[in-house]
Parts: sequence; C-alpha cells; structure tokens
Amino acid sequence: DAGVIQSPRHEVTEMGQEVTLRCKPISGHDYLFWYRQTMMRGLELLIYFNNNVPIDDSGMPEDRFSAKMPNASFSTLKIQPSEPRDSAVYFCASSFGTGSGPLEQFFGPGTRLTVL
Amino acid sequence: AQRVTQPEKLLSVFKGAPVELKCNYSYSGSPELFWYVQYSRQRLQLLLRHISRESIKGFTADLNKGETSFHLKKPFAQEEDSAMYYCALRAREYGNKLVFGAGTILRVKS
Repeated sequence: DAGVIQSPRHEVTEMGQEVTLRCKPISGHDYLFWYRQTMMRGLELLIYFNNNVPIDDSGMPEDRFSAKMPNASFSTLKIQPSEPRDSAVYFCASSFGTGSGPLEQFFGPGTRLTVL
Repeated sequence: AQRVTQPEKLLSVFKGAPVELKCNYSYSGSPELFWYVQYSRQRLQLLLRHISRESIKGFTADLNKGETSFHLKKPFAQEEDSAMYYCALRAREYGNKLVFGAGTILRVKS
C-alpha cells in the first residue's frame, strides 16, 4: 500500500481563486482527517470523517472551507475564495477505528498551499 | 484553552547531549498521550505512545499525572534526531480525536 495519497503536493494560487485538495486514504481505513500545519499554530484538526460521514468540523476556520467524502477512497478539501492567510501545509490522515474511536493515524505527505 | 502545550518552538543541542522535549497537557481524567515526529521530507509518523511504555530510537516518555506532563527524553542526541516533534493527547471527552501541541523543532548540531 502506498499509504495515504495527497494531491497536489504543491499549489500556488492567487487570492480569490478556488483551491481543491485531494486525499486517498489507506484502503480499509474508516476514519479520515484533514489537518492544517502552520508555524504559528502548529497542527490543527480541521474536520474528520467516519465511514464517509463528517463527525466533527469544529476546526474548519470559516465558511470558505468545505470538505467532502463521496466514497471510502476519496476526500476533498475546498477553499473558496482563497486568502493569503490560508497558506499552510494541509495534511490528510486515515486510520482504522473501534467502538471507542480512531486508532493510530497514518499521515499523507501533505499539500503545501501558497496563496499570493 | 490550550490542551497540549509545547513551550519550546525550537530546541537546539549538540550531538551527544541529552535531550528533553517538554509537553504539558490540560485534562483531569486519564488521557492517552503520544509523540509524533516529522523528519525532513518525510511524513508525520507516530514515534511512541505512553501506554506502550516502550523506547523507540532511544527516546522514552513517561506520563506524569501529578505534573500533567509527558516529556520526551533521550540521553544522547544524534544528528538524525533532528526533526519536528508533536505531542498529542487523546481523550474520550474530546471525541477520541488527537489534539496536538504546537510542535517543537529539534536541531542536533555536530
């Protein structure tokens, strides 16, 4: 298994443009997480899904951010419109889960987003 | 309120020196604590978890409930230990999701 796959690895866009980040979790994992990493705030959980259903989106900064998981093997994080303060590395992670919640998370390589 | 605090953004030590990366948490119950590491150009990965009581790559971390700390220690730092280290907490009260600290960059100088 190639692990969690994210695309693109790098994205440079201009303020106001729509940005879509993509993630393919490890096959069989039933939890998927989106994180944002910045120097100032470290690693922040934006949203996570269980069995394709959003469970907790309290970390999504504002309405400009949205995430979907149409099936067990694909998720997107969309920013529309993008702003310079959205510049960060966005990580996707996936894990198995039990009745108590998610187990060890496996992270993707991240997408480095730069909004000019 | 900050649930996981890593007070140092950057820790710089010489090769062979002892290392202690600090982590304090805010939780009154019995959380699970983890250390994650991100080496240059590699993915964030689990380093160790407190329930395993294991030593990984020479690193250990003991959960001190009295001081609500989970400091990461290594007696003799190596250059290949240079990385970003994140302390994380998981608790039922937080939906069993991981709550990360802000991270500490460890630089080991030769």
